[in-house]
Amino acid sequence: NAGVTQTPKFQVLKTGQSMTLQCAQDMNHNSMYWYRQDPGMGLRLIYYSASEGTTDKGEVPNGYNVSRLNKREFSLRLESAAPSQTSVYFCASSERMGEDNEQFFGPGTRLTVL
Amino acid sequence: KQEVTQIPAALSVPEGENLVLNCSFTDSAIYNLQWFRQDPGKGLTSLLLIQSSQREQTSGRLNASLDKSSGRSTLYIAASQPGDSATYLCAGRFLDSWGKLQFGAGTQVVVTP
Repeated sequence: NAGVTQTPKFQVLKTGQSMTLQCAQDMNHNSMYWYRQDPGMGLRLIYYSASEGTTDKGEVPNGYNVSRLNKREFSLRLESAAPSQTSVYFCASSERMGEDNEQFFGPGTRLTVL
Repeated sequence: KQEVTQIPAALSVPEGENLVLNCSFTDSAIYNLQWFRQDPGKGLTSLLLIQSSQREQTSGRLNASLDKSSGRSTLYIAASQPGDSATYLCAGRFLDSWGKLQFGAGTQVVVTP
Protein backbone atom coordinates (compact mmCIF):
# COMPACT_ATOMS: atom_id res chain seq x y z
CA ASN A 1 0.00 0.00 0.00
CA ALA A 2 1.42 3.36 -1.05
CA GLY A 3 -1.16 5.30 0.99
CA VAL A 4 -1.51 8.85 -0.34
CA THR A 5 0.78 9.84 -3.18
CA GLN A 6 1.31 13.29 -4.66
CA THR A 7 2.99 14.50 -7.85
CA PRO A 8 5.10 16.43 -8.46
CA LYS A 9 7.27 16.72 -5.35
CA PHE A 10 8.68 20.12 -6.36
CA GLN A 11 7.59 22.73 -8.90
CA VAL A 12 8.68 26.23 -9.84
CA LEU A 13 6.26 28.39 -11.81
CA LYS A 14 6.28 31.89 -13.17
CA THR A 15 3.47 34.27 -12.28
CA GLY A 16 0.48 33.62 -14.53
CA GLN A 17 1.37 30.04 -15.42
CA SER A 18 -1.04 27.23 -14.68
CA MET A 19 -0.50 23.78 -13.27
CA THR A 20 -2.29 20.83 -11.75
CA LEU A 21 -1.22 19.02 -8.61
CA GLN A 22 -2.14 15.36 -8.57
CA CYS A 23 -3.15 13.23 -5.60
CA ALA A 24 -4.11 9.57 -5.42
CA GLN A 25 -4.95 7.21 -2.58
CA ASP A 26 -5.16 3.44 -2.54
CA MET A 27 -7.04 2.97 0.73
CA ASN A 28 -10.51 3.02 -0.84
CA HIS A 29 -11.32 6.19 1.07
CA ASN A 30 -14.39 8.21 0.26
CA SER A 31 -13.16 11.64 1.38
CA MET A 32 -10.16 13.61 0.18
CA TYR A 33 -8.69 17.00 1.08
CA TRP A 34 -6.23 19.64 -0.12
CA TYR A 35 -4.31 21.79 2.37
CA ARG A 36 -1.64 24.42 2.10
CA GLN A 37 1.07 24.99 4.71
CA ASP A 38 2.73 28.38 5.10
CA PRO A 39 5.40 29.32 7.64
CA GLY A 40 3.92 30.22 10.99
CA MET A 41 0.35 29.40 9.93
CA GLY A 42 -0.13 25.64 10.16
CA LEU A 43 -2.17 23.79 7.55
CA ARG A 44 -5.26 25.41 6.07
CA LEU A 45 -7.96 23.60 4.15
CA ILE A 46 -8.34 24.68 0.52
CA TYR A 47 -10.97 22.27 -0.81
CA TYR A 48 -12.37 18.91 0.13
CA SER A 49 -14.37 16.15 -1.47
CA ALA A 50 -16.67 14.29 0.86
CA SER A 51 -17.33 11.59 -1.73
CA GLU A 52 -16.82 10.88 -5.41
CA GLY A 53 -18.70 13.46 -7.42
CA THR A 54 -18.76 16.18 -4.74
CA THR A 55 -16.38 19.03 -3.91
CA ASP A 56 -16.65 21.90 -1.43
CA LYS A 57 -14.67 24.98 -0.49
CA GLY A 58 -12.55 25.04 2.60
CA GLU A 59 -11.02 27.97 4.42
CA VAL A 60 -8.84 29.38 1.59
CA PRO A 61 -10.30 28.38 -1.83
CA ASN A 62 -9.61 31.56 -3.83
CA GLY A 63 -7.32 31.01 -6.82
CA TYR A 64 -7.81 27.24 -6.89
CA ASN A 65 -10.05 24.70 -8.56
CA VAL A 66 -10.36 20.99 -7.86
CA SER A 67 -11.54 17.89 -9.63
CA ARG A 68 -12.50 14.58 -8.04
CA LEU A 69 -11.61 12.48 -11.04
CA ASN A 70 -12.73 9.19 -9.49
CA LYS A 71 -12.72 7.64 -6.04
CA ARG A 72 -8.91 7.39 -6.00
CA GLU A 73 -7.85 10.74 -7.44
CA PHE A 74 -8.32 14.37 -6.43
CA SER A 75 -6.48 17.11 -8.31
CA LEU A 76 -5.83 20.75 -7.46
CA ARG A 77 -5.46 23.30 -10.26
CA LEU A 78 -3.91 26.74 -10.19
CA GLU A 79 -5.23 28.56 -13.27
CA SER A 80 -3.01 31.64 -13.01
CA ALA A 81 -0.35 31.22 -10.36
CA ALA A 82 0.54 34.13 -8.08
CA PRO A 83 3.52 34.54 -5.71
CA SER A 84 1.06 34.35 -2.79
CA GLN A 85 0.45 30.72 -3.77
CA THR A 86 4.03 29.79 -2.95
CA SER A 87 3.49 27.12 -0.33
CA VAL A 88 3.67 23.45 0.50
CA TYR A 89 0.54 21.61 -0.60
CA PHE A 90 -0.66 18.47 1.16
CA CYS A 91 -3.32 16.04 0.08
CA ALA A 92 -5.08 13.84 2.63
CA SER A 93 -7.78 11.20 2.65
CA SER A 94 -10.13 9.61 5.18
CA GLU A 95 -12.61 6.78 5.08
CA ARG A 96 -15.42 9.33 5.16
CA MET A 97 -16.18 12.78 6.60
CA GLY A 98 -16.99 13.03 10.26
CA GLU A 99 -15.36 13.42 13.62
CA ASP A 100 -14.31 9.78 13.97
CA ASN A 101 -12.36 9.57 10.75
CA GLU A 102 -8.62 9.88 10.82
CA GLN A 103 -6.98 11.65 7.90
CA PHE A 104 -3.87 10.25 6.23
CA PHE A 105 -1.48 12.66 4.56
CA GLY A 106 0.68 12.56 1.46
CA PRO A 107 4.32 13.74 1.38
CA GLY A 108 3.51 17.17 -0.03
CA THR A 109 4.30 19.26 -3.11
CA ARG A 110 6.61 22.22 -2.67
CA LEU A 111 5.53 24.99 -5.04
CA THR A 112 7.39 28.22 -5.70
CA VAL A 113 5.82 30.96 -7.83
CA LEU A 114 8.26 33.58 -9.08
CA LYS B 1 -14.25 30.22 14.22
CA GLN B 2 -12.25 27.73 16.18
CA GLU B 3 -8.61 28.62 16.71
CA VAL B 4 -5.79 26.32 17.68
CA THR B 5 -2.58 27.83 19.05
CA GLN B 6 0.81 26.33 19.80
CA ILE B 7 3.30 28.20 21.95
CA PRO B 8 6.28 28.36 21.78
CA ALA B 9 6.97 28.25 18.04
CA ALA B 10 10.40 26.72 18.69
CA LEU B 11 12.05 24.83 21.52
CA SER B 12 15.53 23.46 22.14
CA VAL B 13 16.32 20.93 24.88
CA PRO B 14 19.34 18.78 25.75
CA GLU B 15 19.10 15.05 25.17
CA GLY B 16 17.49 13.19 28.04
CA GLU B 17 15.20 15.99 29.16
CA ASN B 18 11.44 15.52 29.04
CA LEU B 19 9.67 17.53 26.34
CA VAL B 20 6.43 19.35 27.07
CA LEU B 21 4.52 20.70 24.08
CA ASN B 22 1.43 22.85 24.48
CA CYS B 23 -1.69 23.24 22.35
CA SER B 24 -4.63 25.48 23.20
CA PHE B 25 -8.02 25.84 21.52
CA THR B 26 -10.81 28.38 21.80
CA ASP B 27 -13.86 26.14 21.39
CA SER B 28 -14.70 23.71 24.18
CA ALA B 29 -16.94 21.79 21.77
CA ILE B 30 -13.98 19.70 20.70
CA TYR B 31 -14.57 16.15 19.54
CA ASN B 32 -10.98 14.95 19.48
CA LEU B 33 -7.46 16.26 19.10
CA GLN B 34 -4.62 14.77 17.14
CA TRP B 35 -0.87 15.23 17.46
CA PHE B 36 1.34 14.95 14.37
CA ARG B 37 5.05 14.90 13.76
CA GLN B 38 6.55 16.52 10.65
CA ASP B 39 10.16 16.00 9.63
CA PRO B 40 11.81 18.61 7.37
CA GLY B 41 10.57 18.31 3.81
CA LYS B 42 8.23 15.46 4.69
CA GLY B 43 4.55 14.89 5.27
CA LEU B 44 2.65 14.46 8.52
CA THR B 45 2.87 11.36 10.69
CA SER B 46 0.08 10.85 13.19
CA LEU B 47 1.36 10.29 16.74
CA LEU B 48 -1.68 10.20 18.99
CA LEU B 49 -5.39 10.86 18.73
CA ILE B 50 -7.16 11.67 21.99
CA GLN B 51 -10.95 11.70 22.22
CA SER B 52 -12.79 14.37 24.21
CA SER B 53 -14.07 11.62 26.50
CA GLN B 54 -10.49 10.62 27.37
CA ARG B 55 -8.12 12.56 29.55
CA GLU B 56 -4.94 10.85 28.43
CA GLN B 57 -3.54 8.71 25.64
CA THR B 58 -0.17 7.00 25.71
CA SER B 59 2.12 5.41 23.15
CA GLY B 60 5.62 4.43 24.23
CA ARG B 61 7.48 7.54 25.39
CA LEU B 62 4.60 9.77 24.26
CA ASN B 63 1.71 10.85 26.44
CA ALA B 64 -1.02 13.30 25.43
CA SER B 65 -3.57 14.88 27.74
CA LEU B 66 -6.73 16.79 26.87
CA ASP B 67 -8.61 19.21 29.13
CA LYS B 68 -11.75 20.51 27.44
CA SER B 69 -12.67 22.89 30.23
CA SER B 70 -9.37 24.77 30.06
CA GLY B 71 -9.03 24.39 26.27
CA ARG B 72 -5.63 22.74 26.46
CA SER B 73 -3.79 19.68 25.30
CA THR B 74 -0.25 18.75 26.23
CA LEU B 75 2.10 16.30 24.55
CA TYR B 76 4.82 14.87 26.79
CA ILE B 77 7.84 13.11 25.31
CA ALA B 78 9.89 11.34 27.94
CA ALA B 79 13.68 11.16 27.86
CA SER B 80 14.10 13.06 24.60
CA GLN B 81 16.51 11.87 21.92
CA PRO B 82 18.09 13.69 18.96
CA GLY B 83 15.77 11.63 16.74
CA ASP B 84 12.82 13.45 18.31
CA SER B 85 13.92 16.65 16.57
CA ALA B 86 11.01 17.64 14.31
CA THR B 87 8.01 19.95 14.13
CA TYR B 88 5.04 18.85 16.19
CA LEU B 89 1.55 19.94 15.15
CA CYS B 90 -1.73 19.60 16.96
CA ALA B 91 -5.09 19.63 15.21
CA GLY B 92 -8.59 19.65 16.65
CA ARG B 93 -11.86 18.29 15.33
CA PHE B 94 -14.77 20.31 16.61
CA LEU B 95 -18.44 19.43 16.76
CA ASP B 96 -20.43 20.63 13.75
CA SER B 97 -17.29 20.87 11.61
CA TRP B 98 -17.98 17.52 9.94
CA GLY B 99 -14.61 16.21 10.99
CA LYS B 100 -12.53 18.93 9.37
CA LEU B 101 -9.23 19.50 11.13
CA GLN B 102 -8.18 22.87 12.56
CA PHE B 103 -4.38 22.98 12.84
CA GLY B 104 -2.03 24.86 15.09
CA ALA B 105 1.09 26.40 13.55
CA GLY B 106 3.38 23.84 15.17
CA THR B 107 6.33 23.80 17.57
CA GLN B 108 9.76 23.15 16.08
CA VAL B 109 11.80 21.00 18.46
CA VAL B 110 15.56 20.53 18.48
CA VAL B 111 17.07 17.96 20.84
CA THR B 112 20.80 18.58 21.22
CA PRO B 113 23.20 15.68 21.95
